[in-house]
Amino acid sequence: SQQGEEDPQALSIQEGENATMNCSYKTSINNLQWYRQNSGRGLVHLILIRSNEREKHSGRLRVTLDTSKKSSSLLITASRAADTASYFCANPVNFNKFYFGSGTKLNVKP
Amino acid sequence: DGGITQSPKYLFRKEGQNVTLSCEQNLNHDAMYWYRQDPGQGLRLIYYSQIVNDFQKGDIAEGYSVSREKKESFPLTVTSAQKNPTAFYLCASSPQGRDTEAFFGQGTRLTVV
Repeated sequence: SQQGEEDPQALSIQEGENATMNCSYKTSINNLQWYRQNSGRGLVHLILIRSNEREKHSGRLRVTLDTSKKSSSLLITASRAADTASYFCANPVNFNKFYFGSGTKLNVKP
Repeated sequence: DGGITQSPKYLFRKEGQNVTLSCEQNLNHDAMYWYRQDPGQGLRLIYYSQIVNDFQKGDIAEGYSVSREKKESFPLTVTSAQKNPTAFYLCASSPQGRDTEAFFGQGTRLTVV
């Protein structure tokens, strides 16, 4: 399988805390992407980091990439209850054949 | 509004029946995909198409079939050969090229009764 894997599988934090989730992948990448899925809905793209980038920010999101370790992390700062969702990493193969990991289920308690 | 529309949202099928899930996009994307998601699990690629009249099997294509006669449409048929079809099905599309993202529909939940 060419799927990445997220870690941890589940994460429960209080509102205001930071949430960190990790992704490991197997193949070489052009970019790595993070998506969010609310329960029972489709996935929504959050952020893309290219293979020659080490860190990228978007609002309260910070993504890092370590290609030597084939890993990425997503940090959500100052979490809100509305951030409760599952988060997936994806590594496109051959530019746009997307493989997704099993996800991290984040619960942010008010 | 541009986007991907999946229909129906909920679908019930009797064992032994074929059923077709609809996926339409007006984003002018070349590539389209079908994924299956089981409860608490990740997404597994069923089929994908990078151009009209061409499609490729993903990791779990057995028991499924697709067609890509129009750029906008990529229907998925779940056949009676699929032994465990109850799942959440997601359709996605993306433009061709580097550093493109996938856009998802809202999913179809299929239940075999």
